[in-house]
Amino acid sequence: DTGVSQNPRHKITKRGQNVTFRCDPISEHNRLYWYRQTLGQGPEFLTYFQNEAQLEKSRLLSDRFSAERPKGSFSTLEIQRTEQGDSAMYLCASSPRSLWAGNHEQYFGPGTRLTVT
Amino acid sequence: DAKTTQPPSMDCAEGRAANLPCNHSTISGNEYVYWYRQIHSQGPQYIIHGLKNNETNEMASLIITEDRKSSTLILPHATLRDTAVYYCMKTISWGKLQFGAGTQVVVTP
Repeated sequence: DTGVSQNPRHKITKRGQNVTFRCDPISEHNRLYWYRQTLGQGPEFLTYFQNEAQLEKSRLLSDRFSAERPKGSFSTLEIQRTEQGDSAMYLCASSPRSLWAGNHEQYFGPGTRLTVT
Repeated sequence: DAKTTQPPSMDCAEGRAANLPCNHSTISGNEYVYWYRQIHSQGPQYIIHGLKNNETNEMASLIITEDRKSSTLILPHATLRDTAVYYCMKTISWGKLQFGAGTQVVVTP
């Protein structure tokens, strides 16, 4: 399977603990996005990388959240001192480099479901 | 920036065409219209996008009005596997996607 993969698929943690999620985009996709989705809502944008550069961060990404993409390939999203409100599905998406404007659909992974108890 | 407006839900009979409307009256000249869908417990799936011309691919057709303030996604022959939440969004090239509540489509036998 050459799609976007995310690990772990499920994570249960206690309030106050740190968690880290990993996203492996489709090979050679230079753009990578993180979204968060709570129950019954559409996904919300968190942050976006072009290669290793983090180009945009949502106001939703508090100081407890940090994302990296050190070599422009896989990405990690870390949440420090988790709170119950962090419980959500965390989705990663990637999109390819394109030589012309218009070919920029995002391919989503299956998500990591976080439950903070 | 205002998001798009979609009906919260609609039903469709299997084998019939499903026409999903979307209002994006605040769309700017450099923004595309995107449609994604999300089947329960899966990540969103890209369907189609367009700028001002009508578009068709193997999944669906996209009809954009001449003033670009609204569009319709057409699933020509709905199947049970098309049951999902359908999201209509507007964004610039390579831009972040701003999902709204979407339209819950239920295809019935």
